[in-house]
Amino acid sequence: DAKTTQPNSMESNEEEPVHLPCNHSTISGTDYIHWYRQLPSQGPEYVIHGLTSNVNNRMASLAIAEDRKSSTLILHRATLRDAAVYYCILSNSGGSNYKLTFGKGTLLTVNP
Amino acid sequence: DSGVTQTPKHLITATGQRVTLRCSPRSGDLSVYWYQQSLDQGLQFLIQYYNGEERAKGNILERFSAQQFPDLHSELNLSSLELGDSALYFCASNSGTYSPLHFGNGTRLTVT
Repeated sequence: DAKTTQPNSMESNEEEPVHLPCNHSTISGTDYIHWYRQLPSQGPEYVIHGLTSNVNNRMASLAIAEDRKSSTLILHRATLRDAAVYYCILSNSGGSNYKLTFGKGTLLTVNP
Repeated sequence: DSGVTQTPKHLITATGQRVTLRCSPRSGDLSVYWYQQSLDQGLQFLIQYYNGEERAKGNILERFSAQQFPDLHSELNLSSLELGDSALYFCASNSGTYSPLHFGNGTRLTVT
């Protein structure tokens, strides 16, 4: 399985942008890049995913490097509610045998 | 609210016992996934079912088994419990191969 590397922790201030990096140098051509986050005492929550092009949704933006060996999750204005563990994950394969392998993620602290 | 319901929320039992965890997926989702989250191992994929059939297996012990019923709810059976089985068990569901996973809030299992 292709692996991802994320910083263990990051800190941000409320209402400032946050850029969460992820390295995935062994990504294959058919691997999607997924981001999930886990708030305290809750199950993981889907944030965004993409294949090659940058993606935007109401929660965040995903910037994917041209060689796809890295990506960045962008929270445009961090709030206290964004404090969570953020996981960058690569999908394993296509077809119906689809699973996500979570790593340790990045613990994001948001300061008021 | 993800739409995925897990019961019970908490379970305390003794070593050697057997327990059953239940998951109701989001309405319309055919796939159910089980994950285990412990402090030292992070989120580990256990098993996936699609419309009643097992589709993918991860790090699931032989003492553990699962099934998905015709109404699409799923049960995870854990037997001959050991102290090391104490963890959060999450269920997730999705509607298609690259669709986001929607996680429940988990069942916290404590084995004493």
